[in-house]
Amino acid sequence: EAGVTQFPSHSVIEKGQTVTLRCDPISGHDNLYWYRRVMGKEIKFLLHFVKESKQDESGMPNNRFLAERTGGTYSTLKVQPAELEDSGVYFCASSQDGTGPVSYEQYFGPGTRLTVT
Amino acid sequence: LAKTTQPISMDSYEGQEVNITCSHNNIATNDYITWYQQFPSQGPRFIIQGYKTKVTNEVASLFIPADRKSSTLSLPRVSLSDTAVYYCLVGDGGSARQLTFGSGTQLTVLP
Repeated sequence: EAGVTQFPSHSVIEKGQTVTLRCDPISGHDNLYWYRRVMGKEIKFLLHFVKESKQDESGMPNNRFLAERTGGTYSTLKVQPAELEDSGVYFCASSQDGTGPVSYEQYFGPGTRLTVT
Repeated sequence: LAKTTQPISMDSYEGQEVNITCSHNNIATNDYITWYQQFPSQGPRFIIQGYKTKVTNEVASLFIPADRKSSTLSLPRVSLSDTAVYYCLVGDGGSARQLTFGSGTQLTVLP
């Protein structure tokens, strides 16, 4: 079974440009999460999709960040315009629907390293 | 969400058992305790989850005392490949299931 994949693995852009990160979750996983770690900080939650709907976007830092999940499959996270402080590693994770016992098992992708210069 | 405290780093030698303790004094009744492992340039990976007493799987054991204010992740007979950052997380099982990561413990296994 394929794991969570993210594209690109690394992106270097200039301040003010736009970047779009993509995440393909494990097939059949309704839950999709975005997290990020900025330099020297802890991994922070950004938002959570259940299928194509945004369940919780309380972690999105500002309106320069836009996440979508078309048809409840893959997701994109767009940063427009990018700022220096957006540099970091962006992780995507997915999990199955919580119909059984409570589970915090999420499957993470390898991350996209974003560098804004 | 309850705050967690764990050692910043630990060193061990191959073949030893490693115990990493996490404090979560403000854990709530509905909270679960979960541990993740992260290797460099990879995303975190789920290791184990528990609510009380002891949980064991093929990778690790999780010990939770009766008051649930702490938990201990036990890794039997570590190898060099167990060198990673280990995160202790506490969550309430709500529908969001978002994970709140702390600083983690950098475990270094020496030959």
